[in-house]
Amino acid sequence: AQSVTQLGSHVSVSEGALVLLRCNYSSSVPPYLFWYVQYPNQGLQLLLKYTTGATLVKGINGFEAEFKKSETSFHLTKPSAHMSDAAEYFCAVSDRPGNTGKLIFGQGTTLQVKP
Amino acid sequence: GAGVSQTPSNKVTEKGKYVELRCDPISGHTALYWYRQSLGQGPEFLIYFQGTGAADDSGLPNDRFFAVRPEGSVSTLKIQRTERGDSAVYLCASSPTGAGGTDTQYFGPGTRLTVL
Repeated sequence: AQSVTQLGSHVSVSEGALVLLRCNYSSSVPPYLFWYVQYPNQGLQLLLKYTTGATLVKGINGFEAEFKKSETSFHLTKPSAHMSDAAEYFCAVSDRPGNTGKLIFGQGTTLQVKP
Repeated sequence: GAGVSQTPSNKVTEKGKYVELRCDPISGHTALYWYRQSLGQGPEFLIYFQGTGAADDSGLPNDRFFAVRPEGSVSTLKIQRTERGDSAVYLCASSPTGAGGTDTQYFGPGTRLTVL
């Protein structure tokens, strides 16, 4: 069975600092991986996804993530944090080999950005 | 264009009552998903529709939960004999096809269900 682990339920950074949110997955088949962001009282919004091809994936709002098979990781980074990045972030893996598209989410990481 | 909408945004009910939660997906999306998000947790899959049929209902916790999508568009999640443990935010998502597992899912804002 596939699973996702997000290391650190809360991450705090200063405005302008590097953002690093960690995600490790478990999968017996090549995974499809996603990062979603959830702002207060809003639905989840896709930041980026990895399916096949280039392992460094660029997303919206300056975020990127790198798929590392050897480390079973898909960490999310952003070079310089903005106040508007404060939100909850979820890493997810798409259920395979059923390929129904249902997502298995991690527990989430709350990002706090300090001025 | 319009995104995924869910109604009501908040629902407070008493233990033992019946509730219905509605999801309006993005027009033309054939795949529709329901998830449940408890406080401090990530969303958990409940059920997946491909068109009108429930292609995967393995996440429904028990037979008190049921969902329909009779015309392949709007979906309703129905919960009978609600329990306090059913309190959570219920999320709906749709995607263009669902097939292959690579589609982006577009999420609604959720319905916050509170069972007293």
